[in-house]
Amino acid sequence: DTGVSQDPRHKITKRGQNVTFRCDPISEHNRLYWYRQTLGQGPEFLTYFQNEAQLEKSRLLSDRFSAERPKGSFSTLEIQRTEQGDSAMYLCASSPGTAIGAFFGQGTRLTVV
Amino acid sequence: DQQVKQNSPSLSVQEGRISILNCDYTNSMFDYFLWYKKYPAEGPTFLISISSIKDKNEDGRFTVFLNKSAKHLSLHIVPSQPGDSAVYFCAAIRGATNKLIFGTGTLLAVQP
Repeated sequence: DTGVSQDPRHKITKRGQNVTFRCDPISEHNRLYWYRQTLGQGPEFLTYFQNEAQLEKSRLLSDRFSAERPKGSFSTLEIQRTEQGDSAMYLCASSPGTAIGAFFGQGTRLTVV
Repeated sequence: DQQVKQNSPSLSVQEGRISILNCDYTNSMFDYFLWYKKYPAEGPTFLISISSIKDKNEDGRFTVFLNKSAKHLSLHIVPSQPGDSAVYFCAAIRGATNKLIFGTGTLLAVQP
């Protein structure tokens, strides 16, 4: 499978716990994005990497959120001290530098109980 | 501040007829507009895009029309098929980051 891969697909966690999601982009895509989608809304931009550099972060990304892309390949998104409001679908997308738009993974559904 | 708006939460059409999905935007600086399709429990899938300097782009059954003076775009699907039933998102891009700004989506149901 050469698409964007996200792991896990589903995560249920208790409030206050930390969670980490992984995204493997399409090979050789140097741009990687994280989005969050809540019920009834479109995906909202969280952050953007070009290679290993994190070039933009949304105001939605509070101090409890951190994203990394250490070698310019896969990326992780960590949420510390989860809150019920963090329950959402977390989507990863990647694109080559010259493309318009991006290819999305299937997402990680987070439920905070 | 919702820069991209899809005011119709849902649309139902008969198989074989035309589906028209609408999108409005507020920022005249957007460079590109895109339509994505999303099935439940899957990520969005790219359908078609249009540059802000064009007014029409066609790809098979899908055509996107852009009216810059009205800050409005629409996606036409002809003929509609039951497999087209999904949520359709309008999105816009401004600048070099390729960051997508999405609308809230329209659920299309194509009745056999």
